[in-house]
Amino acid sequence: DGGITQSPKYLFRKEGQNVTLSCEQNLNHDAMYWYRQDPGQGLRLIYYSQIVNDFQKGDIAEGYSVSREKKESFPLTVTSAQKNPTAFYLCASLKTSGNTDTQYFGPGTRLTVL
Amino acid sequence: SQQGEEDPQALSIQEGENATMNCSYKTSINNLQWYRQNSGRGLVHLILIRSNEREKHSGRLRVTLDTSKKSSSLLITASRAADTASYFCATASSGYALNFGKGTSLLVTP
Repeated sequence: DGGITQSPKYLFRKEGQNVTLSCEQNLNHDAMYWYRQDPGQGLRLIYYSQIVNDFQKGDIAEGYSVSREKKESFPLTVTSAQKNPTAFYLCASLKTSGNTDTQYFGPGTRLTVL
Repeated sequence: SQQGEEDPQALSIQEGENATMNCSYKTSINNLQWYRQNSGRGLVHLILIRSNEREKHSGRLRVTLDTSKKSSSLLITASRAADTASYFCATASSGYALNFGKGTSLLVTP
């Protein structure tokens, strides 16, 4: 059953703590993305990776970090430097070969800072 | 940066009616895509239209693209209660990142 999984679905964090959100895909996609969504808003790009061991900052990378050690995995760490981390986080992947830019999304992780 | 902007922000219709939502963007694009998001869930890709296409159909969906006006519209015909969701347009320019709008919230009542 191919797809993208994100875990956990809900995450609670105390202020000052780092937390890592998991994103795994078995679609054999090259590129992976992390977005943040706030209530009533669209998606804002945090980081993306087009290939293993390489990633680029998106529009709102401050306070976040990522790694891409394996093609299947693209974890996102929300650090204590992120001033307002409570949001819905979405991971996506893309097959860069072929004539399409369609992204496939995971179910999301809702992070709440207490 | 958010390039696409959907209009209206919210739309309420009855089952069986058609729903039209619009998207405007600012810079040149390679393609424009529409996604649906049910409450608290991930996004699902609906349809992609390339910059050299003017109209595309997929089931009850019809998408138009006017690159001279930098705008697109999504028409859902014969709406159903299950169509209730938020709809986002996303533009693809250079590279592999998409720029999403803020979405249109559609409510279809029985």
